[in-house]
Order: sequence, then C-alpha cells, then structure tokens
Amino acid sequence: DTGVSQDPRHKITKRGQNVTFRCDPISEHNRLYWYRQTLGQGPEFLTYFQNEAQLEKSRLLSDRFSAERPKGSFSTLEIQRTEQGDSAMYLCASSQGLNQPQHFGDGTRLSIL
Amino acid sequence: AQTVTQSQPEMSVQEAETVTLSCTYDTSESDYYLFWYKQPPSRQMILVIRQEAYKQQNATENRFSVNFQKAAKSFSLKISDSQLGDAAMYFCAHDGVSGNTPLVFGKGTRLSVIA
Repeated sequence: DTGVSQDPRHKITKRGQNVTFRCDPISEHNRLYWYRQTLGQGPEFLTYFQNEAQLEKSRLLSDRFSAERPKGSFSTLEIQRTEQGDSAMYLCASSQGLNQPQHFGDGTRLSIL
Repeated sequence: AQTVTQSQPEMSVQEAETVTLSCTYDTSESDYYLFWYKQPPSRQMILVIRQEAYKQQNATENRFSVNFQKAAKSFSLKISDSQLGDAAMYFCAHDGVSGNTPLVFGKGTRLSVIA
C-alpha cells in the first residue's frame, strides 16, 4: 500500500492557462474522488469515479473543469482557462467501494498569478 | 441537502489532558456514516474514526472516541491523553449509505496542543 499519489504538489500558472493534475489511487481501489479545498474550509466534493465511469459531478465543476479515469486506474483533472478563483488545494482520494473510508493524497496546490 | 457544522473554529488543550470537538449534521438519509478526519500541517487527510449510524455503540480507536447522539444529530470527538502530534485541523464528515450523496465535510476545528 503506497498510498494515494498526486502530481504535481504545487502548480503556479498565469490566469487563462490550462493546467492538468494527476492522481494515482491505491491499487485495487475502484472509487476515486476529487475535492477542492480553499483556505479555512473543509474539502468540497467535485466529482467521483467508480472504475472508469464518472458517476457524479458537483455543480462546482464548471464547464472549464474535466476529469477522466480512462483505464480505471489513475485519474486526471484538467482546468481550462484558469481564473483567480481556481486557486485552491485539489485533493484526490480513493476507496475500496461504497461507504468505505477514503484515503487522501497530499493534494496539488494551484496558485493563479 | 446534507450539511455538517463544526461550531468551534479553534480549540486548545494541555498535553495529557482531554478535549472534545463538536459536530452537528443534518441529513435526509435514513442510514449513513460519520467520520472524523485529521489534517496535520503537512496537509494529508487521515481518517481518525468512523461511526455507522445504525450502530448505537460509540466507536473507539485507542485515545479517540466519539459521542454519537443520533436523535440530536450530534457527533463529537473526544481525544484523551492529548499528545503534541494531535495538533491538526479536524474535520467532521457525513456520507450517506445509498452512495448517492458525496462525502460532506464541516469547516474544521484547529486543535492546538500546549506542552
């Protein structure tokens, strides 16, 4: 069990640029979740996958956000045309199934200049 | 809609003493799970304890225990014999059994441990 891995740890970009984050879940965890966390707040749900199927998306996930999990293993979260308000910590978590505890990665901190 | 409220933004405790962190929630689910997660300054969230709502017995994990009051929709975390390593943000979270609702977190309580 190597834990949930996220890359990069920190991303600094200019407003309007596209960014992509990667998450590698714990092997054999079929559920993968993305959250966004801003300073002083708890994580807010963005979307989740069961295997390769994206089962739910939050209304927080605007059209500029897209997530994929093409082979049911790692996942990517892309933000197009970044805005100042996108600055946050993006957390990935995985679990063995429904209602099982979620294991979190270290997160990717996005800073928009 | 599911909501989770943590009314204590910050708490402090003397080393070796006991502290209780409060959490209340609202849900339309008839069955659900409740969690406490710890987020140390390194930022990785760690599961502390988990409670299944249909179980009346309060969950316990070593120095961590909960006081689950289902009728009052209250789920407090008690940390006994506090240690310096317990200093962190603590988040209460709710998850419906049906799987149709995502994990909902409170805003967190920052716990400081005083040596």
